[in-house]
Amino acid sequence: AQTVTQSQPEMSVQEAETVTLSCTYDTSESNYYLFWYKQPPSRQMILVIRQEAYKQQNATENRFSVNFQKAAKSFSLKISDSQLGDTAMYFCAFIPNNAGNMLTFGGGTRLMVKP
Amino acid sequence: GAGVSQSPRYKVAKRGQDVALRCDPISGHVSLFWYQQALGQGPEFLTYFQNEAQLDKSGLPSDRFFAERPEGSVSTLKIQRTQQEDSAVYLCASSHTSGAFTGELFFGEGSRLTVL
Repeated sequence: AQTVTQSQPEMSVQEAETVTLSCTYDTSESNYYLFWYKQPPSRQMILVIRQEAYKQQNATENRFSVNFQKAAKSFSLKISDSQLGDTAMYFCAFIPNNAGNMLTFGGGTRLMVKP
Repeated sequence: GAGVSQSPRYKVAKRGQDVALRCDPISGHVSLFWYQQALGQGPEFLTYFQNEAQLDKSGLPSDRFFAERPEGSVSTLKIQRTQQEDSAVYLCASSHTSGAFTGELFFGEGSRLTVL
């Protein structure tokens, strides 16, 4: 079974600064996908960024980037130039390439961006 | 519709009542998922449909939980004889991919169930 661990229940950052959210996972699979989802207070989750395990290059999406360390099974999310709208719960998620359909989520990190 | 729609948004039930939660996925999306999210926790997988076929129901916590998607579009999650531990937000998500999932899940806003 796969597990996803987010060790930071809550974090805060000043507007315009950079923050990094941690995620580790445990799996025996070699091919898989990793995701970061954002859940604002309205509760609708949206995809922030996706990483394919066979790609060594870290994914980036505008102000969001990841630090993917496959050997360490670590997948952290860096948010640069934080904005008030980044305030939300952030969930790390994992799916093996051959498992089909069960996306496993971590427990989440609540991020507060302060003005 | 433009997004995944769930109803009701809020439901209060007395213990022992039956409830039905509806999910209307994005038009044309093949895959549909139900997740349960307890307060302060991450979503946990309940069940998966590919079109009308329920291919995985391994996450359903008991035989009181039942899901269907008879015509491959709208889905209903039914909980019989609700218990207090069923209190949670029930999230529905859909995806245009089928089989091995590698793409993006589109989530609804969820149905918050409170069992008294």
